[in-house]
Amino acid sequence: NAGVMQNPRHLVRRRGQEARLRCSPMKGHSHVYWYRQLPEEGLKFMVYLQKENIIDESGMPKERFSAEFPKEGPSILRIQQVVRGDSAAYFCASSPPGQGINQPQHFGDGTRLSIL
Amino acid sequence: KNQVEQSPQSLIILEGKNCTLQCNYTVSPFSNLRWYKQDTGRGPVSLTIMTFSENTKSNGRYTATLDADTKQSSLHITASQLSDSASYICVVSDGAGGYNKLIFGAGTRLAVHP
Repeated sequence: NAGVMQNPRHLVRRRGQEARLRCSPMKGHSHVYWYRQLPEEGLKFMVYLQKENIIDESGMPKERFSAEFPKEGPSILRIQQVVRGDSAAYFCASSPPGQGINQPQHFGDGTRLSIL
Repeated sequence: KNQVEQSPQSLIILEGKNCTLQCNYTVSPFSNLRWYKQDTGRGPVSLTIMTFSENTKSNGRYTATLDADTKQSSLHITASQLSDSASYICVVSDGAGGYNKLIFGAGTRLAVHP
């Protein structure tokens, strides 16, 4: 079974461009979480999605950031008009449907986003 | 404010030695506490998950403890190996809304030297 797959692993963008980060959850997992990790800081929750639904986006900036998890295909985290402060590692995690509250979240290896 | 604090920030030990990492949290409502291992350039990997009623849980050479009254946890690593060099992250779930909204500590960076 393949783990959580994120691509690209590294992404470089200039200020003002758009960044698209992709996450394919583990097989059979329908819950996806996105986290952001700034240098020397802990991971911070951004958004929680189930297939075709955003459940909690309380950690995601209201402007420029959006996330989706379509019925088919990977989950996408989209950042429009990127700024230097968006430089960070973005991690995706997945868990299976009907999970108990004490199930682990399985993490991908992240996308390192650098803004020039 | 929900917070997870870890100490020490970094630690160097010799191969074969034991060590203990600390975690204090102020998260309410509390659902469970997790320890993750994160190698450089990789995603976190789950080591243990403990609920309110569990005091200790082991995973090989890793043993986690939880004192829900004082809101403290520790991760003990026995007979360290070079491959244990990584960041160890304490994570608390508040369980609000019926799902795991995880709150991460900044981690303890462990270096095991030969």
